[in-house]
Amino acid sequence: ETGVTQSPTHLIKTRGQQVTLRCSSQSGHNTVSWYQQALGQGPQFIFQYYREEENGRGNFPPRFSGLQFPNYSSELNVNALELDDSALYLCASSLGGLQGAVSGNTIYFGEGSWLTVV
Amino acid sequence: AQTVTQSQPEMSVQEAETVTLSCTYDTSENNYYLFWYKQPPSRQMILVIRQEAYKQQNATENRFSVNFQKAAKSFSLKISDSQLGDTAMYFCAFVALHRGNQFYFGTGTSLTVIP
Repeated sequence: ETGVTQSPTHLIKTRGQQVTLRCSSQSGHNTVSWYQQALGQGPQFIFQYYREEENGRGNFPPRFSGLQFPNYSSELNVNALELDDSALYLCASSLGGLQGAVSGNTIYFGEGSWLTVV
Repeated sequence: AQTVTQSQPEMSVQEAETVTLSCTYDTSENNYYLFWYKQPPSRQMILVIRQEAYKQQNATENRFSVNFQKAAKSFSLKISDSQLGDTAMYFCAFVALHRGNQFYFGTGTSLTVIP
């Protein structure tokens, strides 16, 4: 049990639609990052939020966007869904801020949201 | 840009034996952290071991140890006394200093422990 909850766990969308995925982490976790994990691949970094602002972005188009709320929960939004967006989406949170890895703060991963685009 | 390479897509080991998983990485950063994560079928990422790049001493956690060669940019994981519960996907990952949770992962090695 990591205290990081992602919802929904599974969903199916049609190409061209929009989707919102949610991540709820432990109290005080001010840093959250999102990853896309295609079948048989390693997770790919999408972006990171620190204190409600985007701080770092991977090689993903602007139709991937996000939000972090004052309670540090987070959303990942994907517009104009494409078939290749089918993947497991993981979020990871910690309370260490950008010093997370330095300070040794534990980074918690959720169990992910499975998105299938048809 | 950072890249992480795992050249062994699949490996197997007999229960109680030792196995080594390979990882190489490329970066222009001087200060960073390396991790090995385990991902069982539940898809939950579980931290196995963590290494600070500025430390020359290799990290160990019970049956798990690493061989960190900074000059060669190599970071292998050794699992001793393999157990059935070690069966999972293993990912090598890199995080630069002051980058929070911005991980770069390899493509993974699927490890099967054979009874």
